[in-house]
Amino acid sequence: AQSVAQPEDQVNVAEGNPLTVKCTYSVSGNPYLFWYVQYPNRGLQFLLKYITGDNLVKGSYGFEAEFNKSQTSFHLKKPSALVSDSALYFCAVRDRDSVEGSYIPTFGRGTSLIVHP
Amino acid sequence: AAGVIQSPRHLIKEKRETATLKCYPIPRHDTVYWYQQGPGQDPQFLISFYEKMQSDKGSIPDRFSAQQFSDYHSELNMSSLELGDSALYFCASSLVGLAGYTDTQYFGPGTRLTVL
Repeated sequence: AQSVAQPEDQVNVAEGNPLTVKCTYSVSGNPYLFWYVQYPNRGLQFLLKYITGDNLVKGSYGFEAEFNKSQTSFHLKKPSALVSDSALYFCAVRDRDSVEGSYIPTFGRGTSLIVHP
Repeated sequence: AAGVIQSPRHLIKEKRETATLKCYPIPRHDTVYWYQQGPGQDPQFLISFYEKMQSDKGSIPDRFSAQQFSDYHSELNMSSLELGDSALYFCASSLVGLAGYTDTQYFGPGTRLTVL
């Protein structure tokens, strides 16, 4: 079984400050991890993913995420937030070693990021 | 770059009517996924197709059916619509390929279905 938790429904940050959106996961084997962003009435846009290799993954729009196996976390970060970053962020996980061969990720409940001018 | 195309973007139906949603995946992608996202909810997986065969099934009601055609586009058919079916329906596509491991899912803009 696989699951993902985003403990914060909402994150507020001032423009120019660093931001962190938290994500923890649970899988039986090794994880594939993804971050997506969703703007109002829009589809999910892929930001970045962790498959293997370096724990620090860099993605679109200056976002990055750090895979921490011991803490089973994959927090999304950005050094300097922009007002335009305000959106809904979804973390997703898929068990890389699923014996059923399922390709379906499990999404978190989403975190609303609000960046204040 | 070409993205996932969904049509229609908005659809309004009455209870007990039927609806058909269409999805055109990114060219050369072999896998299509359907998700339902209710207000304030995370996307819930409905069903997926790999090379025109159903590959995974999630929380799709029996009233819904889907298929993937020879040109890889997919249609989600919804019958006996209920008020609770009002949601955003997303299609995503990815390239699984012969290696059998997934690549990133790329989402379409969604179809907003409103059932009155």
